[in-house]
Order: sequence, then C-alpha cells, then structure tokens
Amino acid sequence: DADVTQTPRNRITKTGKRIMLECSQTKGHDRMYWYRQDPGLGLRLIYYSFDVKDINKGEISDGYSVSRQAQAKFSLSLESAIPNQTALYFCATSEGRGSGYTFGSGTRLTVV
Amino acid sequence: AQTVTQSQPEMSVQEAETVTLSCTYDTSESDYYLFWYKQPPSRQMILVIRQEAYKQQNATENRFSVNFQKAAKSFSLKISDSQLGDAAMYFCAYRRGNFGNEKLTFGTGTRLTIIP
Repeated sequence: DADVTQTPRNRITKTGKRIMLECSQTKGHDRMYWYRQDPGLGLRLIYYSFDVKDINKGEISDGYSVSRQAQAKFSLSLESAIPNQTALYFCATSEGRGSGYTFGSGTRLTVV
Repeated sequence: AQTVTQSQPEMSVQEAETVTLSCTYDTSESDYYLFWYKQPPSRQMILVIRQEAYKQQNATENRFSVNFQKAAKSFSLKISDSQLGDAAMYFCAYRRGNFGNEKLTFGTGTRLTIIP
C-alpha cells in the first residue's frame, strides 16, 4: 500500500455540488497538507495541519474546508464546487523541520 | 512572503547530454531548505534532491546535482547523462527552517523533454 493514499483518483462533479477528497497516511507524520496544482501556477497551499487540533489556512483557502479526523486522515471539502476549482489536488505529509514531503498520487477534479 | 521563480517553462535536451534547470528564490531567512521535485506523466511527485542552506557543499544524487549559490539566491539542478525517463515537470521548492513553518513554497515548474 502507498504511504499516502488519496481517493478518488479522478472525479467529475457538477457546479454547486459538495465534494470531499480524502487522504490517509501510514507514515505516522503529524504534518499534513493540501495543495492544488494548476498549469503554469505550480502547487499552491490550500490548508495545512500540524496535528489533529491544529489546522491552518494556506494561501488559497477560500471555497475550501478541511477536517483532520485522526493523525492519519485529512480530508478536503469543496462546499459548493465551481468550475475554476478544476485542478489536480495533492495531499502530502511531512516529518517536520527540513524534511521534504511525501505526496499522494493526486486527485484530478473536474467541475462542469 | 517567500517566492520561488523558475524562469524556464520548457527545456529540451538530447539523450545522454547534460541540462541545467534554473531556480531563484527570495527570502530574508538564513535557515532554510531547498528541494527539487520531479513530476513524470504519472503525476506522482518525487523528491529528487534536497539542500540545506547552512551547508556549503552542493547536494548530489547520482546523475542529479545542484549548484547552490546562497548569496545570489540561486538553486539550479543539473542532470547529467539525460535519460528518457528524466522527461517530466520539475519543481523547485523552498521551506523555512524554523519549527512551525514547515510549508513548502513551489515554483511554477519547468517541463523537460528528452530528445532521443
């Protein structure tokens, strides 16, 4: 099994629908992140969490919410999806300080 | 806020040749980390190499090496003996070193094409 698992892998949804993207990890890391990737823009931080009780907004949190259900689970919700939220979404974990991230395989979300 | 700039949206190189991808960053910090990530068509993000700012020595990982110029705030990636499997998007990333700020800031990426 992958260290960081994202579900679903691909999803098409309609404008106005609520959708949840899920992320689970077996790394035992406290730090978890949600990023969004758009062509020409790189990866931008949506939300991050340093433990179950610590959740923080990133640079582009509007229109998104998160839930840290357990150390191993961190889900991202779009309350009312809109077309410009069409993107590739990544969950990642980190051991902290100078370590890099371990990424999930991404969820490609299309809002029509 | 820290920014990371990759000024080459696309690069190409002949197989077996050497290519250098550029990255510059802006920070007022002295303690930080820099990374290069590779994203092949599978879309998986793979850590290629990591550099600690307080280390003078440039990091190397097999055919991958960096040229870290701290004063110039430059962090380029050199790929030697390019192989077809090196074709991917490459992202440069920056992370502050102090505890509680372990967020990665990414550049916009460079798409590398390998010409057989």
